[in-house]
Amino acid sequence: ETGVTQTPRHLVMGMTNKKSLKCEQHLGHNAMYWYKQSAKKPLELMFVYSLEERVENNSVPSRFSPECPNSSHLFLHLHTLQPEDSALYLCASSYSLAGAYEQYFGPGTRLTVT
Amino acid sequence: DQQVKQNSPSLSVQEGRISILNCDYTNSMFDYFLWYKKYPAEGPTFLISISSIKDKNEDGRFTVFLNKSAKHLSLHIVPSQPGDSAVYFCAARTDKLIFGTGTRLQVFP
Repeated sequence: ETGVTQTPRHLVMGMTNKKSLKCEQHLGHNAMYWYKQSAKKPLELMFVYSLEERVENNSVPSRFSPECPNSSHLFLHLHTLQPEDSALYLCASSYSLAGAYEQYFGPGTRLTVT
Repeated sequence: DQQVKQNSPSLSVQEGRISILNCDYTNSMFDYFLWYKKYPAEGPTFLISISSIKDKNEDGRFTVFLNKSAKHLSLHIVPSQPGDSAVYFCAARTDKLIFGTGTRLQVFP
């Protein structure tokens, strides 16, 4: 596998479920990001990790919980979501935060909350 | 308040012609501007960038122009090809990337 991969590609969950999104990068990058893309809205940065340490949390509700066990893997744990959380969730990585202008994105997870 | 705006949600261009995608921004502290391209069912891919100290950057068929006084950025694609049909996102950087809402480009034969 090369680049940035995300699993699952599609997820349907009820509001009481708990699920996790997974992201893996094979590029040797040190920074990883979670973005949310809702219809007709810009990509919204949710979380930033640099060298496995969270450096940014953009006022994201606590029902979204990120985890970065190492520089290659990033998770987004989901629980008690709302229908308005339905969106495309994109993971990205970059060589460093200083190089954040050139981020490599995964294909995204299309999440539907019912 | 959106700091990066792409006011045209869609653009349709004939193959071989020039495509011009526009982007406006409000924050004069942005130091880098980028264009990303996104195909359906794929993540955005980096296309071309420009530093705030330059006014033009060219890479093959793609040229990005920056007008700092107008706080305006544009991407020119010439000649346009059907494979260029995608959604194009403008982004600007301070300590993080701020994205626009995207413009869907359709290149028809």
